[in-house]
Parts: sequence; C-alpha cells; structure tokens
Amino acid sequence: EIVLTQSPGTLSLSPGERATLSCRASQSVSSNFLTWYQQKPGQAPRLLIYDASTRATGVPDRFSGGGSGTDFTLTISRLEPEDFAVYFCQQYGGSPLYTFGQGTKLDLK
Amino acid sequence: QVQLQQWGAGLLKPSETLSLTCAVYGGSLTNYWWSWIRQPPGKGLEWIGEVFHSGRTNYNPSLQSRVTISADTSKNQFSLRLSSVTAADTAVYYCGRHLSGTRAFDVWGQGTMVSVSS
Repeated sequence: EIVLTQSPGTLSLSPGERATLSCRASQSVSSNFLTWYQQKPGQAPRLLIYDASTRATGVPDRFSGGGSGTDFTLTISRLEPEDFAVYFCQQYGGSPLYTFGQGTKLDLK
Repeated sequence: QVQLQQWGAGLLKPSETLSLTCAVYGGSLTNYWWSWIRQPPGKGLEWIGEVFHSGRTNYNPSLQSRVTISADTSKNQFSLRLSSVTAADTAVYYCGRHLSGTRAFDVWGQGTMVSVSS
C-alpha cells in the first residue's frame, strides 16, 4: 500500500498569506497521478488539482500543485477567507488502487 | 452539468448488509469509472471500489470479501453492497465519478451517513 503523509497536520494562517501544504508518498506515485481536494464541513470533497499540477475546471489560479515521485506540494498563493478548509491528497497505483492522505487543516489565525 | 444523487438506509444493525445507490443526472454512466469512497466521522477518506459501465470492477483488498459494486446502464445508476457490517463501517459514504483520462474524482454525491449500532 502506498501511504501518503501530509504535513503539517494543522496550518494557521491569515488571509493574504501564502500556504504551502506537503504530501509525501511511501513509494513513487505512478505517472504523477497525485490529486488534491478541498473539503469544507458537511460537504463532499472538491477536486482542485490532478496529475500533480493540473488545475481542475473552475479552480482559481491562486491554487497550484507541484512535485513528482514521492514529494508533492499544494500552494495557495494568497489566501482568501473561503480557502480555510481541510485539504487531502490522493494517489493512484499499487494496492489498493487509490489511497488518501490524512489531511491538512488550514485554520484561520 | 453532471450531478450524482445517492440514497440508502442510514441505520443498520451489526451483521446486516449496507446498500446504497447513486444515480447519474445530466450525463451518462457510459465510458466512465465510478467509485464509492467512505469517511468515518472526523477522519480521512477510504476508497472502497470502482465499477466501469461494462460491469468491470476493482475493490479495496481490505473490503473485497464483503463488497459488491454494480452498474445499471438502463437506469443510469450504480450501487454498493457491503455485507456483515460492524461499528467500524460507520461513516459517510460518497459516490464519485472519475475524471476522464485521469485518476481523480471530479464529481461527488452529497454523501450518506451510515451508522451501525445494535
């Protein structure tokens, strides 16, 4: 099983600041099939970034993804009030086919 | 715009079978993979399994012995059955569509809270 470890567990920032979230895989992620989601309380996850760096339709360009192999990052260039949420990474490959990180909570400072 | 609407029983007793259905609106089941994913209260996400419109499936090995996922193209729906449930199966269950050509889930159902309690 490919284990994804996200850090930090909680990130406390203010609107306008830059957020950098990390996702580290226990093995290399196949073809960079690394995805990022945003989840707000009581809602289903929302797709943000797929294939490590491709923004999904409708996602603001302040969200960007990067990395390869085992180390990936999600960067939010300037935080807006609506960005405070939990962020999950997810990979494809291995067994089980899909695994998720435990999440990073982005908190309002 | 594709939307997923899911439904099923929300309260089960141990050893019963969980049964959920997800209907696809504004699009077709055909030529997509469809998954079920669950999230225990306050915890992370776990992939349960996936089905192609043809009926081909892949399951999480940790649940494989208890899971059946099927697709019904005539109704534009797909379903999840999880047998012999225990308290550890208590979670919000989501259905989801795989974005074509990628390994990401781009459309999600609203989620169904399933509680297992005697």
